[in-house]
Amino acid sequence: EAQVTQNPRYLITVTGKKLTVTCSQNMNHEYMSWYRQDPGLGLRQIYYSMNVEVTDKGDVPEGYKVSRKEKRNFPLILESPSPNQTSLYFCASSRGVNTEAFFGQGTRLTVV
Amino acid sequence: AQTVTQSQPEMSVQEAETVTLSCTYDTSESNYYLFWYKQPPSRQMILVIRQEAYKQQNATENRFSVNFQKAAKSFSLKISDSQLGDTAMYFCAFMRFLTNFGNEKLTFGTGTRLTIIP
Repeated sequence: EAQVTQNPRYLITVTGKKLTVTCSQNMNHEYMSWYRQDPGLGLRQIYYSMNVEVTDKGDVPEGYKVSRKEKRNFPLILESPSPNQTSLYFCASSRGVNTEAFFGQGTRLTVV
Repeated sequence: AQTVTQSQPEMSVQEAETVTLSCTYDTSESNYYLFWYKQPPSRQMILVIRQEAYKQQNATENRFSVNFQKAAKSFSLKISDSQLGDTAMYFCAFMRFLTNFGNEKLTFGTGTRLTIIP
């Protein structure tokens, strides 16, 4: 089954403790992206990647890092999480130019 | 930069009735895509319908249809014969048309929470 898989789905952590949210797709998609969803703000892009080793900032990249060492994986790294990063996070992938985005199931992150 | 505005934070409608969700957007692009996504309580983002700006014909998918007014930059979603399973948050989204590989960013509105009342 074609899918984008995020882990974990729920995470509660403390301020400053490094964490990684994993994202993996099995569709051989070139393009992957991370979004965060906050009430009243919709979804906003954090980072994106057009291919292996090609990543760039989205609209709200502060406090996040990403890597794309393999085509299928695009982890989101929070080196020192803060409470303002409490949010719902989505990973998405697409085959290429002007094609449909497939979303993961979402990760609910709470930083206390 | 593009912006997407959904002016109805919440709506409710009786089951089997028709409901229309509003969306307006602002862009200087002449070619682009518009989408409606559904987010049920499971949080999954589900694509409901997609419209290419260069197509004058409004997209339809079963009970879902859009009214795309390019000049007015309006993109409303009509749900006919609404069902309990339509209860969800609905997001309108914009994506620019790319001629080469680039950032396939979706710009989202703030969402409309739709409740279907039995």
